[in-house]
Amino acid sequence: QSVLTQPPSASGTPGQRVTISCSGSSSNIGSNTVKWYQQLPGTAPKLLIYSNNQRPSGVPDRFSGSKSGTSASLAISGLQSEDEADYYCAAWDDSLNGSFVFGTGTKVTVL
Amino acid sequence: QLQLQESGSGLVKPSQTLSLTCAVSGVSISSGGYSWGWVRQPPGMGLEWIGCIYCSGSTYYNPSLKSRVTLSVDRSKNQFSLKLSSVTAADTAVYYCAGTEDGGSRDYWGQGTLVTVSS
Repeated sequence: QSVLTQPPSASGTPGQRVTISCSGSSSNIGSNTVKWYQQLPGTAPKLLIYSNNQRPSGVPDRFSGSKSGTSASLAISGLQSEDEADYYCAAWDDSLNGSFVFGTGTKVTVL
Repeated sequence: QLQLQESGSGLVKPSQTLSLTCAVSGVSISSGGYSWGWVRQPPGMGLEWIGCIYCSGSTYYNPSLKSRVTLSVDRSKNQFSLKLSSVTAADTAVYYCAGTEDGGSRDYWGQGTLVTVSS
């Protein structure tokens, strides 16, 4: 099972701001950078945020990431209908010789 | 533009070995600058990292799968592969291959391939 914990669901109306939390530990988020992925139904995950708060080219600035201690957050401002998707945090974990771990995932619904 | 395409058997019998290949186009695996890996997603469930090769010059595996997983690279064919032995129904999933630029600023993913474990 995942070592990064996310709320199973989040929702908002168009234009609202939605925040998703990701809770980890000292061996993962506490000592490594965080990535965030968006997965639309039936498609491969898409990188939204890397290095805690950096956006790859082409990702709208409505998406922002932050990290504090052993937790991280993804914020979606100005929520749009096309943002309805599953979102996953991820980080390298230094325990057990090193591995990459994904969060449990959060389903965002646009009401 | 880097592109990835998975291929392999979509149906594997229990206890057998699952084998998948990821063909890379748009960049040479031999040129460096990327790590290559696999992620899977059981139906209706979340993402599970399987492992990566050329990750900071090394190969890493998910500890829960390590005893059954082998990753390899075929530079001559510009592709990398996944082998998962002794499969059970719990290994039924969509399997994605992915490439990550050094520094982590960009990911490239295959479209995914469904592998079903069933007799």
